[in-house]
Amino acid sequence: AQTVTQSQPEMSVQEAETVTLSCTYDTSESDYYLFWYKQPPSRQMILVIRQEAYKQQNATENRFSVNFQKAAKSFSLKISDSQLGDAAMYFCAYRSGVRDDKIIFGKGTRLHILP
Amino acid sequence: NAGVTQTPKFRILKIGQSMTLQCTQDMNHNYMYWYRQDPGMGLKLIYYSVGAGITDKGEVPNGYNVSRSTTEDFPLRLELAAPSQTSVYFCASRPVSYEKLFFGSGTQLSVL
Repeated sequence: AQTVTQSQPEMSVQEAETVTLSCTYDTSESDYYLFWYKQPPSRQMILVIRQEAYKQQNATENRFSVNFQKAAKSFSLKISDSQLGDAAMYFCAYRSGVRDDKIIFGKGTRLHILP
Repeated sequence: NAGVTQTPKFRILKIGQSMTLQCTQDMNHNYMYWYRQDPGMGLKLIYYSVGAGITDKGEVPNGYNVSRSTTEDFPLRLELAAPSQTSVYFCASRPVSYEKLFFGSGTQLSVL
């Protein structure tokens, strides 16, 4: 079974600085999708960024980018120019590209932004 | 568009009581999911459905049941509530071959 591990329960970063959140996963599949979701205090779930495993190029969305290392099964999220509104729980998630159904999440990393 | 609607938003149950968490979506999505979120534990998949009439177990299905009689609705049933089921429950949906999950606003359930 696939697993998603986020080893950093909490992190803090100074406003305007850069922070990297870690995620590792375990799978025997070669075709899959990876995601980062953001959950602010409102409890809403917001898709931040997604990556297809077959693409070598790392995904970017404005200030958010990923470092996808397929061989190492690592999928870290980099937030540049951190803003107060980035404070939230961040969840890494995995979906199989073979079995087009389950989407599983890591335990999350709570990110604090220091003014 | 309403998106994914969950009811109720809050509920307190006594041990042994039963209840149904309602989830409906108006986006004609084939895939629907139920997750529970416990502090420090992330989201755990309870059940999911790939279409009307088809459901499957997720990571933590014990103590829950689901049905999917229509594309729009995916209710989650708790038969004999236990304190371990105190959690925030999220329903989500997505269309075929598009990975983004559309989440409801969640149901905060306490079992006392």
